Amino acid sequence: GQNIDQPTEMTATEGAIVQINCTYQTSGFNGLFWYQQHAGEAPTFLSYNVLDGLEEKGRFSSFLSRSKGYSYLLLKELQMKDSASYLCAVSPSGSARQLTFGSGTQLTVLP
Amino acid sequence: DSGVTQTPKHLITATGQRVTLRCSPRSGDLSVYWYQQSLDQGLQFLIQYYNGEERAKGNILERFSAQQFPDLHSELNLSSLELGDSALYFCASSHSRLAGGQETQYFGPGTRLLVL
Repeated sequence: GQNIDQPTEMTATEGAIVQINCTYQTSGFNGLFWYQQHAGEAPTFLSYNVLDGLEEKGRFSSFLSRSKGYSYLLLKELQMKDSASYLCAVSPSGSARQLTFGSGTQLTVLP
Repeated sequence: DSGVTQTPKHLITATGQRVTLRCSPRSGDLSVYWYQQSLDQGLQFLIQYYNGEERAKGNILERFSAQQFPDLHSELNLSSLELGDSALYFCASSHSRLAGGQETQYFGPGTRLLVL
């Protein structure tokens, strides 16, 4: 089975940097995804990590440590529109590619 | 816009009824995934189809079934509906090459189901 933990809520200020952590325990692992979801809308893809290290994509970066079962999403130069839920998701090994999602971290960006 | 379409956007029905949710994947994507998102359970994987065949099954109730048609669109059938089935139902698609690593799943806008 798979177990994914991430903080329920975080608050940060516009222009700041915030780090959202995710820890996971899985019986098989084929990568970790981060998605952003605004209330009532579809999750949108942010990043994918399968190897250890940092992946940078504009204001967003994601880090993975497979040995520690740990990932984080780093958001820089926060904007009000970044207020959303951030979902950590793990893909199992094998040909099936369904995602197991964490409960999500609700980020509120304050002016 | 992810390129994945879902209909209807909203659905209100009564307990005991049956509904069908429809999903069209992105052009060229062979895999379709169905997820349920309720307030207390988060986003839960239900079932995956690849090129018309069932590939993986999650915590899908026996009252729920799905299929993928030759044109690759998919339908999720929910029957004997209960109040607890009220949720957002998302469809996602990916290309899913048979060999190779994980591929990104792109989500449709969802169908909001309300069972009264």
